[in-house]
Amino acid sequence: DVKVTQSSRYLVKRTGEKVFLECVQDMDHENMFWYRQDPGLGLRLIYFSYDVKMKEKGDIPEGYSVSREKKERFSLILESASTNQTSMYLCAGGDSLNTEAFFGQGTRLTVV
Amino acid sequence: ELKVEQNPLFLSMQEGKNYTIYCNYSTTSDRLYWYRQDPGKSLESLFVLLSNGAVKQEGRLMASLDTKARLSTLHITAAVHDLSATYFCAVDRLEGAQKLVFGQGTRLTINP
Repeated sequence: DVKVTQSSRYLVKRTGEKVFLECVQDMDHENMFWYRQDPGLGLRLIYFSYDVKMKEKGDIPEGYSVSREKKERFSLILESASTNQTSMYLCAGGDSLNTEAFFGQGTRLTVV
Repeated sequence: ELKVEQNPLFLSMQEGKNYTIYCNYSTTSDRLYWYRQDPGKSLESLFVLLSNGAVKQEGRLMASLDTKARLSTLHITAAVHDLSATYFCAVDRLEGAQKLVFGQGTRLTINP
């Protein structure tokens, strides 16, 4: 079974903190993604990466950055957390040969 | 800009009935995905539709794609309680890149 694993299921952070969300995939896939999910809005793409050290902005990159130093790991960074970044964050991995994107279990982040 | 709209957003139905969820999208794409999400859980891939006229079935769920009409449907036959979940469609904005644009989701509740 392919697997995408996010390091935390639940996180509570304070406003202004630097926050790291970690994601690891065991599929040897080139593509990795970070989405956030909010009620009524579906999932929105924050950043994606199609290779090590490569990244591109998605639809809502403001306030976020990413890091991909190894193929299997993709990190989402909130430079200075704000309350409007309270959300469910979902990591995904995939490659075009397989067509599918596989999602991690999600991290519910609360910024207080 | 690619936009994806689902309807209905909420659906409550009785066991044994049939119903259809609709997914419209605004620009050309040949890849459409359907996902299921249970409360507090991640996204589970249901179907990947890759070409015009594609039809896929799994149990009581059947998905189809009409790329000319930019429409996909998810049909539920003889609903059972276990199908209660939120269903998302997603469209790949660039073939093979898996940069998905999601619909808002349809929350389906099936009552005994």
